[in-house]
Amino acid sequence: GAVVSQHPSWVICKSGTSVKIECRSLDFQATTMFWYRQFPKQSLMLMATSNEGSKATYEQGVEKDKFLINHASLTLSTLTVTSAHPEDSSFYICSAIFPTVGTKNAFFGQGTRLTVV
Amino acid sequence: KQEVTQIPAALSVPEGENLVLNCSFTDSAIYNLQWFRQDPGKGLTSLLLIQSSQREQTSGRLNASLDKSSGRSTLYIAASQPGDSATYLCAVSRGGATNKLIFGTGTLLAVQP
Repeated sequence: GAVVSQHPSWVICKSGTSVKIECRSLDFQATTMFWYRQFPKQSLMLMATSNEGSKATYEQGVEKDKFLINHASLTLSTLTVTSAHPEDSSFYICSAIFPTVGTKNAFFGQGTRLTVV
Repeated sequence: KQEVTQIPAALSVPEGENLVLNCSFTDSAIYNLQWFRQDPGKGLTSLLLIQSSQREQTSGRLNASLDKSSGRSTLYIAASQPGDSATYLCAVSRGGATNKLIFGTGTLLAVQP
């Protein structure tokens, strides 16, 4: 079964509104989660690293005021796309590393398809 | 800066054929390399993980090799099936506390019945 659950799987919103995407680790704790963005026919680009209890670390070129990340617990990280615009339409995927399972496998959520109209 | 490239970008083969997907990376200082599968509009499924000290990993019909010194990895799929049709992504990590993954450009595989 899925070890990382992402919600919603798809969302359509109006330009200028904000959208929140949730990423949950199931049955175990993830101190670090990652948020990726994937444009059509392109690979995954890391946006930010979400650390439980501290501020997220953003990759170069990613606006931290636009993509708000909150990692308030060991099982939940949220990504809020603020004042969304059509160019923010993309596939957003979260992942988590679980060192406690013995290997540093990355497990991914199902992804969220965001369409801004 | 680490760059990961996959060749070919797309591949179409008849069912039953053996095939090889290629992944190359520019910085050999990696902690591990993973191969993932992504179905259209879906998340990623981890297929194989190779630690930097290893040369290959096998799972069923899949075999992944790693040559760190030359910056290359291959994913071998034996006796391909239509259900293998998907995008295959390789990703490398530098390890450390955060273990960030740098993804390749992907190979879109279509196995024709």
